[in-house]
Amino acid sequence: YVLTQPPSVSVAPGQTATITCGGNNIGSKSVHWYQQKPGQAPVLVVYDDRDRPSGIPERFSGSNSGDTATLTISRVEAGDEADYYCHVWDSSSDHVFGTGTKVSVL
Amino acid sequence: QLQLQESGPGLVKSSETLSLTCNVSGGSVSSSTNYWGWLRQSPGEGLEWIASVSYSGTTYYTMSLKSRVSISLDTSKNQFSLRLTSVTAADTAVYYCAHSSGYYADSFDPWGQGTLVTVSS
Repeated sequence: YVLTQPPSVSVAPGQTATITCGGNNIGSKSVHWYQQKPGQAPVLVVYDDRDRPSGIPERFSGSNSGDTATLTISRVEAGDEADYYCHVWDSSSDHVFGTGTKVSVL
Repeated sequence: QLQLQESGPGLVKSSETLSLTCNVSGGSVSSSTNYWGWLRQSPGEGLEWIASVSYSGTTYYTMSLKSRVSISLDTSKNQFSLRLTSVTAADTAVYYCAHSSGYYADSFDPWGQGTLVTVSS
């Protein structure tokens, strides 16, 4: 099972960043999203498609339907600059991670 | 607050065995619904799941490494471990341990800070 993400997304501060994660019928799976800053471990920002762990700002939201899951970061801040990975569990491939998207804040 | 910390040698010789331990604090490795996993990230690359173990000791492995990897739980020390045999340069990566609330569809949260393991020839 393959998850495809755009390599990079650029966004101006205060604007909205949209990161997609494409996979065959991904809408039938639970999708999780992680933020990874340089030299740091990944941090969970959205789980089960759209839920946020405690401490994660409401600016981070997720959706999942059809063949695409989406992580949306509203009112982007400089501190949101990081790599973002989607993750699902698939019965044939076990835990699968997306290729990662680098979010750059202009 | 659950915290995880990896430990182990940062340098392993090719063909030898990589052994890492993850110390867990703020929770018990044997509490029901707790699952524990190892993941890795090669330099400049994405994330790869390696193995998971349940609170009761049930193990799960990625197919690509199944013949070389083992994961185990040590409840007396509240930690879990990873062994990867016959390592090559392709096994050079940052290794992370992480917690999950289940195996099949659950996220990994939190993660340890990671430990870089370099395989040398």
